[in-house]
Amino acid sequence: AQTVTQSQPEMSVQEAETVTLSCTYDTSESDYYLFWYKQPPSRQMILVIRQEAYKQQNATENRFSVNFQKAAKSFSLKISDSQLGDAAMYFCAYRSAAYGNKLVFGAGTILRVKS
Amino acid sequence: EAQVTQNPRYLITVTGKKLTVTCSQNMNHEYMSWYRQDPGLGLRQIYYSMNVEVTDKGDVPEGYKVSRKEKRNFPLILESPSPNQTSLYFCASREHSGRANEQYFGPGTRLTVT
Repeated sequence: AQTVTQSQPEMSVQEAETVTLSCTYDTSESDYYLFWYKQPPSRQMILVIRQEAYKQQNATENRFSVNFQKAAKSFSLKISDSQLGDAAMYFCAYRSAAYGNKLVFGAGTILRVKS
Repeated sequence: EAQVTQNPRYLITVTGKKLTVTCSQNMNHEYMSWYRQDPGLGLRQIYYSMNVEVTDKGDVPEGYKVSRKEKRNFPLILESPSPNQTSLYFCASREHSGRANEQYFGPGTRLTVT
């Protein structure tokens, strides 16, 4: 079974600075997808960025980018120019390409942004 | 507007009193799932459905039932709720086709069982 590990329960960043959230995963599959979700205090789950494992190029969405290291099974999220609105819980998630019936989530990282 | 709706958003109930949390999506998605979120555990899948009348267990199905009689609806049933089912519940849906297609989540239902 696949597992996703987020080793940082909490992180803090100064407004306008850059922060990196860590995520590692365990799988024997070669084709899969990885996601970062943001959960603000409203509890809504918001997709931040996605990565397809067969694509070597790291995904980027505006201030959000990932460092995808397939051999190391690592998928970190970098937030540049942090804003107060980035404060939230962030979840890393895995989905199999062959058995795409579920997302496997990490425990989450609370990100605090200081002004 | 494309969305997944859940009702109720908040529910406090007592042990053993049957309840249903409804979930509906307006995007004609084939896949639907229920997850529960608990501190330190992230979200875990309870049940999923790949289409009408096709459902299967996720990772934590004990104490829950589901049905999929219509494509748009996927209710979660707790026949005899217990305090360990106090949690935040999310319904989600996505298209069957497409590779990394997005999973859409409902707004969540906060359930407290006393």
